[in-house]
Amino acid sequence: DAGVTQSPTHLIKTRGQQVTLRCSPKSGHDTVSWYQQALGQGPQFIFQYYEEEERQRGNFPDRFSGHQFPNYSSELNVNALLLGDSALYLCASSLGIGSNQPQHFGDGTRLSIL
Amino acid sequence: QQPVQSPQAVILREGEDAVINCSSSKALYSVHWYRQKHGEAPIFLMILLKGGEQKGHDKISASFNEKKQQSSLYLTASQLSYSGTYFCGTDYRDDKIIFGKGTRLHILP
Repeated sequence: DAGVTQSPTHLIKTRGQQVTLRCSPKSGHDTVSWYQQALGQGPQFIFQYYEEEERQRGNFPDRFSGHQFPNYSSELNVNALLLGDSALYLCASSLGIGSNQPQHFGDGTRLSIL
Repeated sequence: QQPVQSPQAVILREGEDAVINCSSSKALYSVHWYRQKHGEAPIFLMILLKGGEQKGHDKISASFNEKKQQSSLYLTASQLSYSGTYFCGTDYRDDKIIFGKGTRLHILP
């Protein structure tokens, strides 16, 4: 039973560039949430996708956008990268959008902005 | 709206007990607990729902005080494998889980 998979594992970009991160949810899950985790901090909610639509959004600028595909996989896009975007980006999947379901996290993508 | 966790860090010897607290300034609908080891993904431990329902592991227990808007995670007879950072995540019935800053737990042999 495959868990949540994210790619790439590591990524180095420069300021102003754009990046796309990818996530495949755990088998049987239909909801994907994205989080940003700075060093020494808890994960911060970016947004959640269900039925190919953004259902909830955290306090992140429009430079952060996403997409969910019919097979439930998801992408996170960040435009006009800033130094402060350097972080671990975690994808979590769950069954349904209710908060009464456990979230299963992937290992994350480590994004470094130079 | 970010929940406040306490203590920030704790060091225990194997076999000792630990309690990690999570407090909110707003009425909670559910509380999630996760453990993250260095360089790894957060692992689900438990969900506590308003009304008393719990979903989680057998060896870990937790409480949810709706009136005080607090949750506590209880780790008994700690093992070396319990080391890591524990995060509580709170939901205010808007399906967004807001995580605290974490409690670092280190177990000594």
